[in-house]
Amino acid sequence: NAGVMQNPRHLVRRRGQEARLRCSPMKGHSHVYWYRQLPEEGLKFMVYLQKENIIDESGMPKERFSAEFPKEGPSILRIQQVVRGDSAAYFCASSRIPGLADYEQYFGPGTRLTVT
Amino acid sequence: AQKVTQAQTEISVVEKEDVTLDCVYETRDTTYYLFWYKQPPSGELVFLIRRNSFDEQNEISGRYSWNFQKSTSSFNFTITASQVVDSAVYFCALISSGYALNFGKGTSLLVTP
Repeated sequence: NAGVMQNPRHLVRRRGQEARLRCSPMKGHSHVYWYRQLPEEGLKFMVYLQKENIIDESGMPKERFSAEFPKEGPSILRIQQVVRGDSAAYFCASSRIPGLADYEQYFGPGTRLTVT
Repeated sequence: AQKVTQAQTEISVVEKEDVTLDCVYETRDTTYYLFWYKQPPSGELVFLIRRNSFDEQNEISGRYSWNFQKSTSSFNFTITASQVVDSAVYFCALISSGYALNFGKGTSLLVTP
């Protein structure tokens, strides 16, 4: 009865490298959300995906960031050419179909990204 | 526009005291959802409760209780007889238009023995 899984839990990258963060939703959940927690900004929504579709990416930075949720496998948040300002905790959440009476988002343990 | 305000940045109490965490929200939508999440020192986010806008019934779960009042746009969270393990950052969040959780800044609760 696994919950939302994220890996790696900790990731260190040098400036200019790529970071790939993975998220496997809870069993029975087909909707995935990515959030970022920055020390001074709090928790902010980045992107909402269903299988093979990006539904809402209004919170994603316009450059260097991308997300996917393929038909098979986990959701991936990719950050290209990382900069120090990308250092943060990245949380993935999953849910069943949003809008129903019992809709909740359950979070994974997060990936702590450190850019050196 | 939607907004969540948690005016209390930090609260410190002694074990066994009751403590209330305030949450005030803003939204123009008539249908919305309110949430509380707990983030202990280990860093994960733990779901505590969801409330629908059309259900103002208050809820009690063990030492936790929630008071939802649409008239004041508040969704306050009370911990009765606090324990050291309750020490965490607590986030109130809102979903109205769209699917994204809109979080408050969080209240850091420290319970000392």
